[in-house]
Amino acid sequence: DAGVTQSPTHLIKTRGQQVTLRCSPKSGHDTVSWYQQALGQGPQFIFQYYEEEERQRGNFPDRFSGHQFPNYSSELNVNALLLGDSALYLCASSLAGGGTYEQYFGPGTRLTVT
Amino acid sequence: AQSVTQPDIHITVSEGASLELRCNYSYGATPYLFWYVQSPGQGLQLLLKYFSGDTLVQGIKGFEAEFKRSQSSFNLRKPSVHWSDAAEYFCAVGLRAGSARQLTFGSGTQLTVLP
Repeated sequence: DAGVTQSPTHLIKTRGQQVTLRCSPKSGHDTVSWYQQALGQGPQFIFQYYEEEERQRGNFPDRFSGHQFPNYSSELNVNALLLGDSALYLCASSLAGGGTYEQYFGPGTRLTVT
Repeated sequence: AQSVTQPDIHITVSEGASLELRCNYSYGATPYLFWYVQSPGQGLQLLLKYFSGDTLVQGIKGFEAEFKRSQSSFNLRKPSVHWSDAAEYFCAVGLRAGSARQLTFGSGTQLTVLP
C-alpha cells in the first residue's frame, strides 16, 4: 500500500520565479493538506483540498495556490518566490469522512530560493 | 487562538534512560492530540493519537502519552530510549476550521541520545 508521495524531492529556484510541487495521497484518502515547515519550526498549515476545492486556508498570501485533481492528487503552486519561501513543503492526506483529524505525511519537498 | 507549546527545544538523554517530552495546548474544547516524529530529511510519522476515552494512550516504538485535561498537557514518554529514537518530535492539535480539519503543531523538541 503506497503511502503519500511527493515530487520533486529537492528544488532550487531564483527569487521571482514560480514553482509547482506535487503530491499523491495515500491509497483510499480523498483529502490533501499542505504545510510549510521552515528550518527549526513546526509545520504551518497552508490549505486543504477536498472534492477539488480549497476548503480552508491558513495565514498564507495569494501567491500560494493549489489544485486537486479527480484522482485526489494535488499540486501546490507558489508564484513570485521570495527568499522566505525556502522551506520543506509537506503534503498530508486524510479521509474526509474518517471522523478524525489523523493525517499521513509524505517525505516533503525541500525548496531553496536563492 | 489555539496554540501548542513544547517548552523544551532540545533534550539530551543517555541510551536506556527514560524520556518525557512536554506538550501543552490551548484549546476551547476537548482536543484531538497527536505526537509525530521526524527524522532528518524525512516527513512526519505518527507515533500516537488521543481522541477520547482512556487518557493513557500507547503508540508505536514503545511510546506512550498521557492526556491531562486539568493541566492542558499531553506529554510523551518512553521508559527506555534507544539510539534510533534520536529525532525531532512534534506535538499537534487537530482543529476544525470551517469545513476543514487542520493540524496545529508545536515548534518541536530535538532529542539527542548519548551512547
